[in-house]
Amino acid sequence: EPEVTQTPSHQVTQMGQEVILRCVPISNHLYFYWYRQILGQKVEFLVSFYNNEISEKSEIFDDQFSVERPDGSNFTLKIRSTKLEDSAMYFCAPRGTPETQYFGPGTRLLVL
Amino acid sequence: QKEVEQDPGPLSVPEGAIVSLNCTYSNSAFQYFMWYRQYSRKGPELLMYTYSSGNKEDGRFTAQVDKSSKYISLFIRDSQPSDSATYLCAMSGGSNYKLTFGKGTLLTVNP
Repeated sequence: EPEVTQTPSHQVTQMGQEVILRCVPISNHLYFYWYRQILGQKVEFLVSFYNNEISEKSEIFDDQFSVERPDGSNFTLKIRSTKLEDSAMYFCAPRGTPETQYFGPGTRLLVL
Repeated sequence: QKEVEQDPGPLSVPEGAIVSLNCTYSNSAFQYFMWYRQYSRKGPELLMYTYSSGNKEDGRFTAQVDKSSKYISLFIRDSQPSDSATYLCAMSGGSNYKLTFGKGTLLTVNP
């Protein structure tokens, strides 16, 4: 089972500020996903990342969002100008076998 | 019609009961079906996955998929208080394998 750590575990920011969420896989993975979960709502797909490129993104993933693999191991999700509605749990998930994804512990983002 | 429908509950049962959790879906392209368990403010934990129709058993857990009815189930036998959590169904299809989730069912097993 792939393992990931996510940092920070919690982040509080002011509306309009940039945030960077990080995901560090324990082992090397080519295929990654980012999801978010607004409190009390379902987990929603944001973006998939394969071999250093975005392979698919949802309508939520607008121009304010970006993903990178800056140093060949960490994965980052950046929100350039946060909005109140960006408050949510954000999860990264590497793909194990093709049909399985293992979620990290998440970053809780609160935008004030 | 929502892609994945799941009764949010809450569902409360006594210890030792058999629990049945269900989801329905509308997208015929879904081929992989997963159940995740999520504790409050934690990441979803993969419990079981099934490809296409059929049953799969793992200890006290049994997952069933009926693609003809677009209906999936998770059964928990001899439920324990430690099973208390939110159970999420999720499914995927196509080349990207992105997951589409149900809203989750909150389960409480009372000692």
